[in-house]
Amino acid sequence: GENVEQHPSTLSVQEGDSAVIKCTYSDSASNYFPWYKQELGKGPQLIIDIRSNVGEKKDQRIAVTLNKTAKHFSLHITETQPEDSAVYFCAAMRRTGTASKLTFGTGTRLQVTL
Amino acid sequence: DTEVTQTPKHLVMGMTNKKSLKCEQHMGHRAMYWYKQKAKKPPELMFVYSYEKLSINESVPSRFSPECPNSSLLNLHLHALQPEDSALYLCASSHDVGGGLRYEQYFGPGTRLTVT
Repeated sequence: GENVEQHPSTLSVQEGDSAVIKCTYSDSASNYFPWYKQELGKGPQLIIDIRSNVGEKKDQRIAVTLNKTAKHFSLHITETQPEDSAVYFCAAMRRTGTASKLTFGTGTRLQVTL
Repeated sequence: DTEVTQTPKHLVMGMTNKKSLKCEQHMGHRAMYWYKQKAKKPPELMFVYSYEKLSINESVPSRFSPECPNSSLLNLHLHALQPEDSALYLCASSHDVGGGLRYEQYFGPGTRLTVT
């Protein structure tokens, strides 16, 4: 099955700095890679995603890059703000018959300090 | 609107109790999912329903019994749970499953379950 590794497990940055989280996946059949933000006591919130036929996608301060050959993808957050503090999960999706399965990375706890 | 609702928010139950978790979405999504999330861990897939039929059961113990009464509702029936089943139970939905292109999954806020 799919295995997704995520680094770092914790990340502390100063407000205004950039943050980068990296993930690798194992199954070349995975074709969709979402990123989720989870705040304390809440469910995961989809913040950006990328499909396997795209190398980069940007949405305001958030961008994601995908290298299919190396099987890794990254989340970039620029101009970080205190409200960016949360746990971030990467995930990889592959189809299995009539369903699709998401496999999550282990998560990165991002802390943005003033 | 990408809202998935779950009830109750919190649930405490004894090992001999029977309870149910409920999930609802009105986005017209045809796939619905149950995940289990332990503290400081990622969500783990339990069940997938596709067009109201069970598509994936990730070898979940039979004390967890899913049900999809219609395309908007998903239930998880709980019976004879163990303390180690205490976790956050998350429901998610997506528009398409497998062959479609709109397979973004949207999560509900979860039910925090404590088994005593």
